[in-house]
Amino acid sequence: NAGVMQNPRHLVRRRGQEARLRCSPMKGHSHVYWYRQLPEEGLKFMVYLQKENIIDESGMPKERFSAEFPKEGPSILRIQQVVRGDSAAYFCASSRTSVYNEQFFGPGTRLTVL
Amino acid sequence: AQKITQTQPGMFVQEKEAVTLDCTYDTSDQSYGLFWYKQPSSGEMIFLIYQGSYDEQNATEGRYSLNFQKARKSANLVISASQLGDSAMYFCAMREGGWTGNQFYFGTGTSLTVIP
Repeated sequence: NAGVMQNPRHLVRRRGQEARLRCSPMKGHSHVYWYRQLPEEGLKFMVYLQKENIIDESGMPKERFSAEFPKEGPSILRIQQVVRGDSAAYFCASSRTSVYNEQFFGPGTRLTVL
Repeated sequence: AQKITQTQPGMFVQEKEAVTLDCTYDTSDQSYGLFWYKQPSSGEMIFLIYQGSYDEQNATEGRYSLNFQKARKSANLVISASQLGDSAMYFCAMREGGWTGNQFYFGTGTSLTVIP
């Protein structure tokens, strides 16, 4: 009964490179959420997706960030031309429905931009 | 205005004693959910407890209970009989927006240290 899977767990990129973060939701979950946690802060919502649809991207930076959740395969958070300020922990969560179910979080991907 | 406020950056508690972690929230929605998560040093987020805005009784999950005071907009977490393994960051979160609420709002967290 696997939980939410994220990979890689740690990712190091140089400024200007691209970062691709993957999230496989729990079995039976079709709702995926991405959050960013800066050092010493709580999690901040970025984007909410269902299969093949972006439902709410109000927390996504306007540039360089994109997310997808294809019909097959994991959800991907993509950061183009990374900058040092992108260094953070990125968490993915999934839920069975959009109703008040608790969101189950993955272990996070720690992105370090050199 | 902050949606979730946790005013205790750090707390200490003696092993086997109870501790209360404070959380206040701000919403104009009638329907919302309140959550507590634990984040140990390993970094994962572990769901602890959930309270719905219409639930009349305080939620309990083992040693965790949520002291829900709707009029005061507070949702404090009570951990009874603290254990060394309880040392971690604790985050209060809220989900608002009725049936289509999309996102969680998180507080800045409280770091709990259990002293042997």
